[in-house]
Amino acid sequence: EAGVTQSPRYAVLQEGQAVSFWCDPISGHDTLYWYQQPRDQGPQLLVYFRDEAVIDNSQLPSDRFSAVRPKGTNSTLKIQSAKQGDTATYLCASSFRLGGLDQDTQYFGPGTRLLVL
Amino acid sequence: GDSVTQTEGPVTVSESESLIINCTYSATSIAYPNLFWYVRYPGEGLQLLLKVITAGQKGSSRGFEATYNKETTSFHLQKASVQESDSAVYYCALGPNTGYQNFYFGKGTSLTVIP
Repeated sequence: EAGVTQSPRYAVLQEGQAVSFWCDPISGHDTLYWYQQPRDQGPQLLVYFRDEAVIDNSQLPSDRFSAVRPKGTNSTLKIQSAKQGDTATYLCASSFRLGGLDQDTQYFGPGTRLLVL
Repeated sequence: GDSVTQTEGPVTVSESESLIINCTYSATSIAYPNLFWYVRYPGEGLQLLLKVITAGQKGSSRGFEATYNKETTSFHLQKASVQESDSAVYYCALGPNTGYQNFYFGKGTSLTVIP
């Protein structure tokens, strides 16, 4: 079974530039999460989806960040005008709600390391 | 609020020594949270090490153990004899039991095992 895939793996930007991150979750997983992980910190949830619906985006800086999951499968996280403080690794994870011990266990992709100069 | 606090790293131990990484949690909005340990080996992505969903139960994997203690709100990770291949960053995490709540990670503990 394929795991969670993300692209690109690395991105380097100047302040003010835009960038998009793409995530393909594990097939059959209905829930998808985006996390921001600054250096030497734990992952911090930005937004998560159940199918195509946003369940919680309260931690997403809405003026510059956006996330979509239009068909309830792949997802895109976009930063419109990057700032140096956005430098971090962006992680995507997926899980499924129903059934068994694996319920709600999150499986993570390799992440995208973003550096904003 | 909901949060996780774990041993600050880096932690260095010699091969075959015992290890404990402390984790305590606060779960004010989640009545019966699920508790997790995740691990990131060098050059790899974050992966689940073990999970416990019931207070009082113990989870184990790859020689590591952790017991869900609701009285002390703790979920310490232990291993009796570490190996060099255990060198990694370990994250304690608090998750929902209904699927409609957030997931909280500790800051991570970097472990280096010296051969």
